Amino acid sequence: DIQMIQSPSSLSASVGDRVTITCRASQGITTWLAWYQQKPEKPPRSLISGASTLQGGVPSRFSGSGSGTDFTLTISNLQPEDFATYYCQQYNTYPPTFGGGTKVEIK
Amino acid sequence: EVLLVQSGTEVKKPGESLRISCKASGYVFSDYWINWVRQMPGKGLEWMGRIDPADSHTNYSPSFQGHVTLSFDKSTTTAYLQWGSLKASDTAIYYCARSYCLNAVCQYSLDFWGQGTLVTVSS
Repeated sequence: DIQMIQSPSSLSASVGDRVTITCRASQGITTWLAWYQQKPEKPPRSLISGASTLQGGVPSRFSGSGSGTDFTLTISNLQPEDFATYYCQQYNTYPPTFGGGTKVEIK
Repeated sequence: EVLLVQSGTEVKKPGESLRISCKASGYVFSDYWINWVRQMPGKGLEWMGRIDPADSHTNYSPSFQGHVTLSFDKSTTTAYLQWGSLKASDTAIYYCARSYCLNAVCQYSLDFWGQGTLVTVSS
């Protein structure tokens, strides 16, 4: 299975900050990468697919980039509702696999 | 509006059987795969498997193959995840999620999620 390594596992940030989360795949996945946001006691929400395509209704302060093995999720101008855990997922190779998650906390 | 509404919390004993459900609405049920994802307490997401309501084809993660069964009822647009014999390690929240599909080609990226079903297995 392809391993997805996210870093950092957690971070503290303030409202208005720019936050970057990294996801590295154990082998190349071209751009078959998705990002999800999960708030406590809630299901995950799809943010980005195809490494950089925002899902409908997702604010433009979220952006994704990368290809091959290295990917980033960037949140510019962090808002209070963005404090959550973020997961990457590869869907290039079966079975699809998730990263371990990055918890974004309030500083 | 696309909705996936899952059945409620379950408390079971080891060895018991269980089936949980995921009722889909707001789209053509047979046009999209339904996936199931496990989240153990305080842990991350694990893809379990998927079913295609168009042809009943299933894929299971090797980690779950043989332990769970996916099915659906097209007449009620409901997908199911079932266990024949639960273990304490099955304690988790289980999510159903729809695959992203475009022009009849589906992927394993997940665009809509159910609210989750908490399953607790304890003696």
